[in-house]
Amino acid sequence: KQEVTQIPAALSVPEGENLVLNCSFTDSAIYNLQWFRQDPGKGLTSLLLIQSSQREQTSGRLNASLDKSSGRSTLYIAASQPGDSATYLCAVRPRGDYKLSFGAGTTVTVRA
Amino acid sequence: EAQVTQNPRYLITVTGKKLTVTCSQNMNHEYMSWYRQDPGLGLRQIYYSMNVEVTDKGDVPEGYKVSRKEKRNFPLILESPSPNQTSLYFCASGAGANYGYTFGSGTRLTVV
Repeated sequence: KQEVTQIPAALSVPEGENLVLNCSFTDSAIYNLQWFRQDPGKGLTSLLLIQSSQREQTSGRLNASLDKSSGRSTLYIAASQPGDSATYLCAVRPRGDYKLSFGAGTTVTVRA
Repeated sequence: EAQVTQNPRYLITVTGKKLTVTCSQNMNHEYMSWYRQDPGLGLRQIYYSMNVEVTDKGDVPEGYKVSRKEKRNFPLILESPSPNQTSLYFCASGAGANYGYTFGSGTRLTVV
């Protein structure tokens, strides 16, 4: 069974600092990995999708890397802003399955 | 705009009163799914559907029903809601293996 772990569970940084969020998974047989953002009590907004054959994806200030062999992905957010405060979830889609396996999330607070 | 639409956004009901949460997507996705999110337990899959008239149980299907009569719609039915079904519910849809999932904005259900 695929298990997804996100470390740290919570993170507080001053505005302008770069954020590094980690996600690890136990089974490397995956189709892809997706990073989501969730504001309190709200829906999941897709940030980046990385296919199993890719090493990284970038969108604006966001960059996500994937090391499938070691079961790790890292989400980098450059020059953080208070508006980046949210919970970030990573989700893995195992090969041969349609169900996403989610991590518990990292709750980020960016202090002005 | 490509989206997954859930209704209602908030619902308070009493134990035993049947309810339906609707989900509709406008992306012609074959795959649709329901998740519930609870503090400390994360996101768990309830039911999923690979295509019209094809549905299957996820990890926590007890107390729920679904139907997929049309490709765009995937309603979640609680025949006799109980307080332990108080949760935040998400509908999601997706295309093939190379694509990520799109989530709805969520339905906050409270059963008293």
